[in-house]
Amino acid sequence: NAGVTQTPKFRVLKTGQSMTLLCAQDMNHEYMYWYRQDPGMGLRLIHYSVGEGTTAKGEVPDGYNVSRLKKQNFLLGLESAAPSQTSVYFCASSYSTWQEAFFGQGTRLTVV
Amino acid sequence: GIQVEQSPPDLILQEGANSTLRCNFSDSVNNLQWFHQNPWGQLINLFYIPSGTKQNGRLSATTVATERYSLLYISSSQTTDSGVYFCAVLHSGNTPLVFGKGTRLSVIA
Repeated sequence: NAGVTQTPKFRVLKTGQSMTLLCAQDMNHEYMYWYRQDPGMGLRLIHYSVGEGTTAKGEVPDGYNVSRLKKQNFLLGLESAAPSQTSVYFCASSYSTWQEAFFGQGTRLTVV
Repeated sequence: GIQVEQSPPDLILQEGANSTLRCNFSDSVNNLQWFHQNPWGQLINLFYIPSGTKQNGRLSATTVATERYSLLYISSSQTTDSGVYFCAVLHSGNTPLVFGKGTRLSVIA
């Protein structure tokens, strides 16, 4: 039972490049989330999904897009990376917002 | 939106000491979790505790929802307890967890 798995773990991008971060969970959770963590800021919600085919904006959605085509996967896309998107990205999942959330190991992204 | 404040922001302990970390929140909550982020960056679930008291080994947590705070107790601290401790709360409905800024704990031998 792998839990929540994020791919890749590390990535360096040049300004203007695009990339997709993949989150996969094997717990049959309905809800999935993308957060970013910056020094001194805690974790801030980017986008989330309450079920297959649904997405919603969080606190800091600008510059990101997401898709939930399959229940077990939640993709985070950066269409044109900017240095301000340098951060550690965490994916999480839960049965509902009322229940315990579990996090992946994080993706460290650097945009130069 | 709901505000989550954690205190203290930084804490340095001698190995073997006890500590209490606090999480205050500005409105009623339906979910509260404590996490430990280890020095390698992993977020580890410690407690799911929207109310009441739970214990797990040297760690325990208490949430008093009516007074809008939660406490995390660490007894007989070890160097492996070092890292950042986050409190995260769910305010209402489908809005996901909101995180505090964390307490950075350093346990020295």
